[in-house]
Amino acid sequence: AQRVTQPEKLLSVFKGAPVELKCNYSYSGSPELFWYVQYSRQRLQLLLRHISRESIKGFTADLNKGETSFHLKKPFAQEEDSAMYYCALGTGANNLFFGTGTRLTVIP
Amino acid sequence: NAGVMQNPRHLVRRRGQEARLRCSPMKGHSHVYWYRQLPEEGLKFMVYLQKENIIDESGMPKERFSAEFPKEGPSILRIQQVVRGDSAAYFCASSGQRNGELFFGEGSRLTVL
Repeated sequence: AQRVTQPEKLLSVFKGAPVELKCNYSYSGSPELFWYVQYSRQRLQLLLRHISRESIKGFTADLNKGETSFHLKKPFAQEEDSAMYYCALGTGANNLFFGTGTRLTVIP
Repeated sequence: NAGVMQNPRHLVRRRGQEARLRCSPMKGHSHVYWYRQLPEEGLKFMVYLQKENIIDESGMPKERFSAEFPKEGPSILRIQQVVRGDSAAYFCASSGQRNGELFFGEGSRLTVL
């Protein structure tokens, strides 16, 4: 069965420190992985997807099929990065499977 | 483009009443998805609809829940005879194509007393 695990509910880092939000997935087929973000008082929105291999707002995420992971990383956290982050798995079907989310707080 | 619009934002119902949640997708989008978020849990897929058709309802509870997306007007998620366990945030998302980027609404928070 498909599953997305985000082991950390809460993560706090100091401004300028590196940040890594963990995401592991379970899926026997060929996955599509996404990170969605929800800033305070805003809607959930797409941050990045693995197939585009982009860096958005300084964030990157690499799909590691061996470890079934799609961790989100940024070398230097900024205060405006404080938000709720959701990892999501697409299976080529009609929906996305979301993790439970990680609330990132960047301490000034 | 106003984005995905959901209403009401907050809805309070007593046990046994009906709840209707509406979702207007972004202009030009014909794919609508409903998700439910229970406290301390992630977003759980409920149903995927295109205009006048239910494409995938594998996440919908078998009873009391139904969804539609008519040719004209918003998509509606209907919960009959609500129970306390239905209290949750219900999110709608739309996309312009299948497996395209999802654009989310602000959610409708249902509280069942």
